[in-house]
Amino acid sequence: DTAVSQTPKYLVTQMGNDKSIKCEQNLGHDTMYWYKQDSKKFLKIMFSYNNKELIINETVPNRFSPKSPDKAHLNLHINSLELGDSAVYFCASSPTGVVTEAFFGQGTRLTVV
Amino acid sequence: GDSVTQMEGPVTLSEEAFLTINCTYTATGYPSLFWYVQYPGEGLQLLLKATKADDKGSNKGFEATYRKETTSFHLEKGSVQVSDSAVYFCALSVIQGAQKLVFGQGTRLTINP
Repeated sequence: DTAVSQTPKYLVTQMGNDKSIKCEQNLGHDTMYWYKQDSKKFLKIMFSYNNKELIINETVPNRFSPKSPDKAHLNLHINSLELGDSAVYFCASSPTGVVTEAFFGQGTRLTVV
Repeated sequence: GDSVTQMEGPVTLSEEAFLTINCTYTATGYPSLFWYVQYPGEGLQLLLKATKADDKGSNKGFEATYRKETTSFHLEKGSVQVSDSAVYFCALSVIQGAQKLVFGQGTRLTINP
């Protein structure tokens, strides 16, 4: 019973392509996130959604477009992929209104060649 | 802005050794503090947390105390095991419309038998 699941786990694609990563959580949380982990393991928030509404957008290039069809899903679409987009992307969720832990998916390793 | 600084890694220890991973933070207000662990090929899991000054978080033999006077949240374990080998992240939580985790750079820990 996976709490936060992402697909695909691995994604290898050429520069200039458009790709999507899907995320689903079955925890009943209202808030979902995308984090990016670079090659040095540094983690940084990209986006946060609360009940399908964008709350946090951390100066991410507009080639990255999150979409939340409902509060259990937050997908990440990336246009015109660049070499520098290669990273591990983590989806996460947490309850709203309290400071608490975030629950992370297993990550999607994106490699742009 | 808000930030977290962890001790440089990698850290290599022998089994049953004492572990300390230093973490200091800069934040406006009074953040909650977390330690997350990332095992190879997996997402992040919460290890422990503390929500106010002088709180001690503990789990699986690991401990960390929220020290407001030194703005620190050092992770300790009295006797490490090979299974503790992982990357450890210190993080603070701030509210910017939604909860946002700010991570340190991670410390890779390797325990040799």
